[in-house]
Amino acid sequence: EAEVAQSPRYKITEKSQAVAFWCDPISGHATLYWYRQILGQGPELLVQFQDESVVDDSQLPKDRFSAERLKGVDSTLKIQPAELGDSAMYLCASASGETQYFGPGTRLLVL
Amino acid sequence: GQSLEQPSEVTAVEGAIVQINCTYQTSGFYGLSWYQQHDGGAPTFLSYNGLDGLEETGRFSSFLSRSDSYGYLLLQELQMKDSASYFCAVRLTGFQKLVFGTGTRLLVSP
Repeated sequence: EAEVAQSPRYKITEKSQAVAFWCDPISGHATLYWYRQILGQGPELLVQFQDESVVDDSQLPKDRFSAERLKGVDSTLKIQPAELGDSAMYLCASASGETQYFGPGTRLLVL
Repeated sequence: GQSLEQPSEVTAVEGAIVQINCTYQTSGFYGLSWYQQHDGGAPTFLSYNGLDGLEETGRFSSFLSRSDSYGYLLLQELQMKDSASYFCAVRLTGFQKLVFGTGTRLLVSP
């Protein structure tokens, strides 16, 4: 069964450093999402792509976060500089119909 | 803006039936989804209601009433493995955007 791949699974960094997360969606899925999930809360949408285009980035802190999906397949989310409050799980998902398929996530700890 | 309300925690015993409610206030409502997430795991899709009424998938059923801005997830014949967090999520009109609730932690005991 096809799955969404994410790497790394865990990342520890110091504040003010740059971090990057990678996501490879299920083949053929045009819609890709990046979410941030803080422990005890639901996932919060950061950015949504349709193919290579951003269709929603209203919740993305654009002063420090950036996301790209250059060829409409895999995607990278970057944080620069990282802050203590960025510690969270970063989830990538791709969609088919009304079903979103989530990857295993990247757990980020900022020290 | 969007707001969703779910109970923070529900407890039940194996074999029982439990209902997790979700009320929402949103603009651009299109449908209601439910996701399950085990500790340390990723959310997995359970069900979607685009129309009013009941959708059944095995031991799980989901219900939607658009006029009441209300839905619920019904879990029957509870098993220990059902212990997890359950999120309702509003699907907004437009590009398949989901807004998740804060989740309900279900604890199933023997």
